[in-house]
Amino acid sequence: AQTVTQSQPEMSVQEAETVTLSCTYDTSESNYYLFWYKQPPSRQMILVIRQEAYKQQNATENRFSVNFQKAAKSFSLKISDSQLGDTAMYFCAFMTHVGGSARQLTFGSGTQLTVLP
Amino acid sequence: GAGVSQSPSNKVTEKGKDVELRCDPISGHTALYWYRQRLGQGLEFLIYFQGNSAPDKSGLPSDRFSAERTGESVSTLTIQRTQQEDSAVYLCASSLNRGSLNTGELFFGEGSRLTVL
Repeated sequence: AQTVTQSQPEMSVQEAETVTLSCTYDTSESNYYLFWYKQPPSRQMILVIRQEAYKQQNATENRFSVNFQKAAKSFSLKISDSQLGDTAMYFCAFMTHVGGSARQLTFGSGTQLTVLP
Repeated sequence: GAGVSQSPSNKVTEKGKDVELRCDPISGHTALYWYRQRLGQGLEFLIYFQGNSAPDKSGLPSDRFSAERTGESVSTLTIQRTQQEDSAVYLCASSLNRGSLNTGELFFGEGSRLTVL
């Protein structure tokens, strides 16, 4: 079974600063995806960034980037130039990909990020 | 529709009653997922549909929970004889899950908040 661990229940950062959210996972699979989802108070989960396990290059989406360390099974999210709108619960998630079909997404327990003005 | 739609948005029911929660996925998305999110916690996988069949229903917590999907579209999650511990937000997500078109990304609805008194 896959597990995803987020060891930081809460974090805060000053506006315009940089913050890193940590995530580790455990799996015996070799082919999988990793994701960071954001859940603002509106409840709707929104994809922030995704990484295919076979790609060594770290994914980047504007101010969001990841540090993917496959051997260490680590997948941290870096948010640069933090904005007030980044305040949300952030979930790390893992999905196996077997035979061309995605399987269930396994989520971590989440990190509540607060951006301070 | 443009996004995943869930109804009702909020449901308050008495212990012992049955409830039905509905999910309309994004048109053309073959995969559909149900998750449960208790207050302040992460997402707990319930069931996954590929088309109208459910290859993975391992997350359903008891036989009081059931789900079906018809026409590779709408899905209904039914909870019979509700208990107070069933109180949570029930999130539905859909995904385009066809071979090379599969990105693994899930698109979430805003959830149905269930309160069992």
